[in-house]
Amino acid sequence: QSALTQPPSASGSPGQSVTISCTGSSSDIGAYNYVSWYQQHPGKAPKLMIYEVTKRPSGVPDRFSGSKSGNTASLTVSGLQAEDEADYYCISYGGTRNWGIFGGGTKLTVL
Amino acid sequence: QVQLQESGPGLVKPSETLSLTCTVSGGSLISYNWSWIRRPPGKGLEWIGFVYYSGSTNYNPSFKSRVTISVDTSKNQFSLNLSSVTAADTAIYYCARHQPVGITSFDYWGQGSLVTVSS
Repeated sequence: QSALTQPPSASGSPGQSVTISCTGSSSDIGAYNYVSWYQQHPGKAPKLMIYEVTKRPSGVPDRFSGSKSGNTASLTVSGLQAEDEADYYCISYGGTRNWGIFGGGTKLTVL
Repeated sequence: QVQLQESGPGLVKPSETLSLTCTVSGGSLISYNWSWIRRPPGKGLEWIGFVYYSGSTNYNPSFKSRVTISVDTSKNQFSLNLSSVTAADTAIYYCARHQPVGITSFDYWGQGSLVTVSS
């Protein structure tokens, strides 16, 4: 089960926008609209930020948005704030035999 | 408010079995899927497997020969057993609830339990 591909790091200044990519294959991201994104601060449990590619759970700021094109999903954080600095992980459904595949994670730094 | 709490030994010897339990409070196991996810030191998250409240399971193929996840609805708990562990199984282990909608979306998480594999 190969991990999805994320850039190891991303950065932006306060107020700017940053986009994190998550690349899979035609068997996972390309086949299903079941991509979720998680934010994890050091020492904390991950927090669900986006599910089903574009949907935001209640309480997640609308500065966070998701999209997908072909085999690549993306998370965009607009109006960067200091508290957005964290690790971000994508996960996609890959069918019943490859149910949940995480990306390697991206460390977002707010400069 | 639903809360999840992992419990179990923090140190396991190589070749032995890692056993963790997740206790759910503030809600029922009924009608949900429940997962185990881990994060090895310096690495990313890895989904291990999930159990439905009825007991049916689905495992990551990478673990399939070593992992068992079970549920005890009478105690509102579910458990992870991972056999034949090595140092590579050292990680923070999280239990999590699947959101009612959206496959791969986990809405409640435990705080995590660090398990070290060492003699």
